[in-house]
Amino acid sequence: QSVLTQPPSASGTPGQRVTISCSGSSSNIGSNTVNWYQQLPGTAPKLLIYTDNQRPSGVPDRFSGSKSGTSASLAISGLQSEDEADYYCAAWDDSPMEVFGAGTKLTVL
Amino acid sequence: QVQLQQWGAGLLKPSETLSLTCAVYGGSFSGYSWSWIRQPPGKGLEWIGEINHSGSTNYNPSLKSRVTISVDTSKNHVSLKLSSVTAADTAVYYCARGICSSTSCAEDWGQGTLVTVSS
Repeated sequence: QSVLTQPPSASGTPGQRVTISCSGSSSNIGSNTVNWYQQLPGTAPKLLIYTDNQRPSGVPDRFSGSKSGTSASLAISGLQSEDEADYYCAAWDDSPMEVFGAGTKLTVL
Repeated sequence: QVQLQQWGAGLLKPSETLSLTCAVYGGSFSGYSWSWIRQPPGKGLEWIGEINHSGSTNYNPSLKSRVTISVDTSKNHVSLKLSSVTAADTAVYYCARGICSSTSCAEDWGQGTLVTVSS
């Protein structure tokens, strides 16, 4: 059972905006920053968002992150077929260790 | 282009020690924090531990008694050792390096190594 809670699946049609939620607690999201990862089928995860809402170089601005209290969200606007992937949230926990959500499988219909 | 290359034994018997190595090609080794993450087949990501640029380590409490992450600066390698493996340790193991400047962060991942534990 993962420390961070994500919906197992999400879906949208091309061009749509989709959001994926990530719920934690005061010992992780509530007191530390959140990262988001994209894992395309058969590949290693890729850092998509760091420090709650920052994009690494090369990540399109269609991807955005936000955080409020002990929850975070990833939003994808202008959904494209190549966005079909698994998405994971992660945060440092006061244990101390990094904790992940179980992942959300995004399907582009 | 920066590449993280991993290698190590892919098939182990129960009670053996998992040993993986990760190296960076086309980029810098120093100044980065290095992490190991694993992913059981068909499941999500699990953080194993990290070693920062100062050599300090943090480990997942559930694995701490069996894990060692170390750096060989003479070879620019980072290594993972996990002792007394069981079938539950079967997973794809990834190394990752990360760095943050005053304005941005970047992270690279290795290609992953499937380690299977079976008698």
